[in-house]
This record gives sequence, structure tokens and C-alpha cells, in this order.
Amino acid sequence: GAVVSQHPSWVICKSGTSVKIECRSLDFQATTMFWYRQFPKQSLMLMATSNEGSKATYEQGVEKDKFLINHASLTLSTLTVTSAHPEDSSFYICSLGRGGNEQFFGPGTRLTVL
Amino acid sequence: GENVEQHPSTLSVQEGDSAVIKCTYSDSASNYFPWYKQELGKRPQLIIDIRSNVGEKKDQRIAVTLNKTAKHFSLHITETQPEDSAVYFCAASFHTGTASKLTFGTGTRLQVTL
Repeated sequence: GAVVSQHPSWVICKSGTSVKIECRSLDFQATTMFWYRQFPKQSLMLMATSNEGSKATYEQGVEKDKFLINHASLTLSTLTVTSAHPEDSSFYICSLGRGGNEQFFGPGTRLTVL
Repeated sequence: GENVEQHPSTLSVQEGDSAVIKCTYSDSASNYFPWYKQELGKRPQLIIDIRSNVGEKKDQRIAVTLNKTAKHFSLHITETQPEDSAVYFCAASFHTGTASKLTFGTGTRLQVTL
């Protein structure tokens, strides 16, 4: 498998502020990472695919200017929620692929926007 | 794009009974079908997966069947135990050679009662 970490595990912020979430691959160089969002009692929804050294590919309906993704190295991808609002409160999970079908998920970050 | 439907949304069984969760997918190009177990506040945990060249796969008390013609696949859990209680998600993906995007079903909340 692959070991994936996320930081922070939870964060509370005021409305209008920006929050950065880090996703790290601890034992594998990941060219592709994925970012998901999961609202309470709902499924995981893919937000974007993060490619090392290039721009992320966003899913339809996800604002690329609001959810900034940076994949500057093979072991780190970051998601920045800009000007966060209460409706952005959610569970954000990253995952990485190793070239095959299986994805390895991070532990998730619980974001609460007051 | 891919669309995955999952039924039922909730399922309550007595300990020792079997549980069956069903999913259908829309994209005939999908070739990988994982099942995840997610406990509250945790990351999805892969419990079993199946590829399109296989019709059935079993791992101890868990089995998955795939009908490519009908585009549906099912999870079977036998001899259920209280620790099986969780939310289960099916997913479907198409492997492009570099990475695969997962489309998740809506989830099934399984409750195993004593």
C-alpha cells in the first residue's frame, strides 16, 4: 500500500479567512493526487485531480479560484480554501494513486467555518 | 461522466445474518469496482475490489459479484458481526494508464443488531 498523511486533522476558522490543507505521501512519489469533499451523511465527491508540476483538473461545479490546489512536489499536494464560508464546512480527504486502479486515502481534514 | 447508484441507503440486519448491497454504474468503460467501509470521521477503508475481467471475488466473509452486461455489482457480507456496522460505499473507475478517477455511490448505512 501507500501511507498518506493530512494536516491538520481538523481546523476551525472564521468566515472570510483562508485555510490550507496539506496532503503528504510518506513512502511513495505520487504524480497524481485527488481531493475529495464529503458533507455530513453524504458520499465522497471528487473535487479535483492534482498533477505534479502542472495545473490541477477540476470537476464540474468546483470553483478553481476558491479551491486552490498546488502539487509542487511528488510527495506534497496542498488545498487552500480561500475566503471560506460556513457552506464550505466539510470533511476534505486526499488520495493518491500508484499507477494502478487502487487509491490510498489520507485520514481527512474536518473544516468548520464559523 | 460515470454515475453510480447504490441501494439500499440503510440496512439493518441481525447478527449472523447476511447483508447485500447493490450498485449500478453507467459507463461501460469502467473496469475497476472497489468497495469501501467508512466509520464516522475516518477515511474510507478498502475492503474488497473487483476488476472487469472477473465475475466474482471472495475474501472470507465478504464477496463481490459483477455483471458487466447489466452494469451492476453487489457486495455480500455473511455472518455479520456488530463491528461490521458502518457506512459502505461502492465505486467505479476507468483506468487511463496514469491514474483512475473514482466515482462513488451514495452509501449504505449498515446496522448489525444483537
